[in-house]
Amino acid sequence: SAVISQKPSRDICQRGTSLTIQCQVDSQVTMMFWYRQQPGQSLTLIATANQGSEATYESGFVIDKFPISRPNLTFSTLTVSNMSPEDSSIYLCSVFSGGEESGNTIYFGEGSWLTVV
Amino acid sequence: LAKTTQPISMDSYEGQEVNITCSHNNIATNDYITWYQQFPSQGPRFIIQGYKTKVTNEVASLFIPADRKSSTLSLPRVSLSDTAVYYCLVGGGGFKTIFGAGTRLFVKA
Repeated sequence: SAVISQKPSRDICQRGTSLTIQCQVDSQVTMMFWYRQQPGQSLTLIATANQGSEATYESGFVIDKFPISRPNLTFSTLTVSNMSPEDSSIYLCSVFSGGEESGNTIYFGEGSWLTVV
Repeated sequence: LAKTTQPISMDSYEGQEVNITCSHNNIATNDYITWYQQFPSQGPRFIIQGYKTKVTNEVASLFIPADRKSSTLSLPRVSLSDTAVYYCLVGGGGFKTIFGAGTRLFVKA
């Protein structure tokens, strides 16, 4: 398994500002994923971040709005830019961790709950 | 990526066994089936994973028929603290995982 720490855990942000969320993993992982979960909804994949390459964004998400850094195999950041109330969500970092008995087990951080006012 | 279908919600009482079934008709040969539990304001937590037949751990059992087009998560003797959203995911190792709507389980006293 993998232990994932996210910062901040919660924040209230002003409209038009940007916030960077940090994700730290206790082991080296190739692939890291960023999800968004809006209130009462399921998780939506924002992008896949691989170390040493540009992040791959899902439909509906763009780099200008959600720039991602992946400087090494244990760390990533997601920035939510020019925030609006519609960006109020939980943002979750996750990693794939393969084991002897797992095919595609992914582990999640506790999330960063952003409220935009 | 295989699409999954689960009941939107389920109600149960404390002490009962709860079975949540997930349909995944176009599951691929190398896909595993994984279930997650999510409490409000927390990240999803891994419950159990299987490829075929039956898997059991200290938390739950996972039943997968021979055709692998569905799976059933079984929670024995649920308690109030099992009230959560349960997600069924299907996918191959190392690839992005897409979440369905999940099943909201509400356990009553």
